[in-house]
Amino acid sequence: ETGVTQTPRHLVMGMTNKKSLKCEQHLGHNAMYWYKQSAKKPLELMFVYNFKEQTENNSVPSRFSPECPNSSHLFLHLHTLQPEDSALYLCASSQEVNNEQFFGPGTRLTVL
Amino acid sequence: GESVGLHLPTLSVQEGDNSIINCAYSNSASDYFIWYKQESGKGPQFIIDIRSNMDKRQGQRVTVLLNKTVKHLSLQIAATQPGDSAVYFCAENRDTGNQFYFGTGTSLTVIP
Repeated sequence: ETGVTQTPRHLVMGMTNKKSLKCEQHLGHNAMYWYKQSAKKPLELMFVYNFKEQTENNSVPSRFSPECPNSSHLFLHLHTLQPEDSALYLCASSQEVNNEQFFGPGTRLTVL
Repeated sequence: GESVGLHLPTLSVQEGDNSIINCAYSNSASDYFIWYKQESGKGPQFIIDIRSNMDKRQGQRVTVLLNKTVKHLSLQIAATQPGDSAVYFCAENRDTGNQFYFGTGTSLTVIP
């Protein structure tokens, strides 16, 4: 496994639930990312944080709300999701933006 | 065995043979490329990278070739082993913005 951990690894939630995904990197990196991975589709970048500041938001619906309290931790708060939001959500980090990214194992999310 | 771009999503090779996985990119401004390997149930793992000022780079059992004229990238795996079975995808970084663009990937199956 890499130095990027994610919890939980699996999550099943109803459309009215509120849940949070957590990511932690132990690599001393300055940039962190959230990606969505759906079957047979390329990785979709959702958010980029550089030195705790959000630098990219790729038109992600407001039902996904990121939080980056420090350079080592990244959260993705979820509320009133839709079934089509079911996917693997991957966190990654890099020393600087545009450097190679190290990925966590992902959270497999199922929205009922 | 050989796959062509992102339009042939599966590749099967005999153990011990060499594998070639191809990727076409679209933006001539892309200047940094990475190959990732993703095993089932895991996040993507960095394999090798190459910058646009190079046309070849070698790692342990892997070689990446970059042809900027035709915007083509390939990953060669020597003496393919069962542990190489995974989905491989390329990522390109363009010289503007903070993000990588990922392909859909090629699923490599190694036949013992």
